[in-house]
Amino acid sequence: NAGVTQTPKFQVLKTGQSMTLQCAQDMNHNSMYWYRQDPGMGLRLIYYSASEGTTDKGEVPNGYNVSRLNKREFSLRLESAAPSQTSVYFCASSEAIKYRRDEQYFGPGTRLTVT
Amino acid sequence: AQSVTQLDSQVPVFEEAPVELRCNYSSSVSVYLFWYVQYPNQGLQLLLKYLSGSTLVKGINGFEAEFNKSQTSFHLRKPSVHISDTAEYFCAVSDRGRFITQGGSEKLVFGKGTKLTVNP
Repeated sequence: NAGVTQTPKFQVLKTGQSMTLQCAQDMNHNSMYWYRQDPGMGLRLIYYSASEGTTDKGEVPNGYNVSRLNKREFSLRLESAAPSQTSVYFCASSEAIKYRRDEQYFGPGTRLTVT
Repeated sequence: AQSVTQLDSQVPVFEEAPVELRCNYSSSVSVYLFWYVQYPNQGLQLLLKYLSGSTLVKGINGFEAEFNKSQTSFHLRKPSVHISDTAEYFCAVSDRGRFITQGGSEKLVFGKGTKLTVNP
């Protein structure tokens, strides 16, 4: 049981390049999330998916797109990377059954540098 | 909308000393509260959560937190810390009502984090 996995672990991009961050969970969770973590800013929600087939914007969605490929996988795409997107990106998932509150399980993160 | 304030960005303590990491929140609705820990170069893991019931919540690794509704606080405490507790700690809040009506997908709002350094 691997939990939440993310690829790649590290990535360096030049300004204007595109890339997709991959996330997969094997816990049969309904909801998945993408966060970015910047020094002194805590974690900020980029996008989330309440269930397969749905996605919604979080606090900082500009410059990103997401795809909930199936129940297991939730990808984050940077179409034209900018230095302001240099950050550590975390994917998370939760069971999120109605009337229950379940914790979010986090992946190990992807450290992205845009030069 | 909710917000979370962690009052200390860094807390240095000596091993075996007690520690308190402070968290205040702001919300116009009822909330759920969480503390997460992040060890160096790792993801976040849940320490403890307050959903309802007793206001004193016990978590993993000997940590506990107390929900104080009148002071809108959820401070984290440990009576005796170890070197291995060195990490960054995040307080988070979610909207209780939104979760129930939307049928899922809690949206967590995180504080900016407190770096706990335990020195020998």
